[in-house]
Amino acid sequence: GQNIDQPTEMTATEGAIVQINCTYQTSGFNGLFWYQQHAGEAPTFLSYNVLDGLEEKGRFSSFLSRSKGYSYLLLKELQMKDSASYLCAVKDSNYQLIWGAGTKLIIKP
Amino acid sequence: ETGVTQTPRHLVMGMTNKKSLKCEQHLGHNAMYWYKQSAKKPLELMFVYNFKEQTENNSVPSRFSPECPNSSHLFLHLHTLQPEDSALYLCASSLGQENTEAFFGQGTRLTVV
Repeated sequence: GQNIDQPTEMTATEGAIVQINCTYQTSGFNGLFWYQQHAGEAPTFLSYNVLDGLEEKGRFSSFLSRSKGYSYLLLKELQMKDSASYLCAVKDSNYQLIWGAGTKLIIKP
Repeated sequence: ETGVTQTPRHLVMGMTNKKSLKCEQHLGHNAMYWYKQSAKKPLELMFVYNFKEQTENNSVPSRFSPECPNSSHLFLHLHTLQPEDSALYLCASSLGQENTEAFFGQGTRLTVV
């Protein structure tokens, strides 16, 4: 079956750095997405990786290793507003998005 | 504001009621999706429409009935639901079904009593 694994919950301190990992096993691969979802709000797009390597976008970076079925989202200079759930999703060979259950990130002052 | 609007935001319905969820996007997207989001579970894809044609129906019970009258509007008709159908129902759209990001609406929080 197809599977996306990510930690259920993480805690970090304001101003610090946190890395949220995602491992996947899917039938085919057509890209990996990270979304942010604040409580009670819509998921919003953060990043897209289809080739191996690091994609940097301001305080957020996303890394992909296709051979290892692994990605991470790196958040730097954490702010209280970064408290949210972070969803990892992979497009399989049929271009269907397979989702992880999300990682709830709690930022403490 | 993502450009995808869902109504209503909250809905409480009895098991014998019939109701409809509405989704609207004016982003010029060709693909629209219905997802179910339950607490601590992955998003479950329910239906996909591409250029108004249904391309996916992931074994969803017939008590959920989608309708896509045009590429900007998507409905989810509900009837004789069960309490376990209580969840957040999210609509999303994307330019195409392939390697493009999806834009989500804020969802309808559905409670079946």
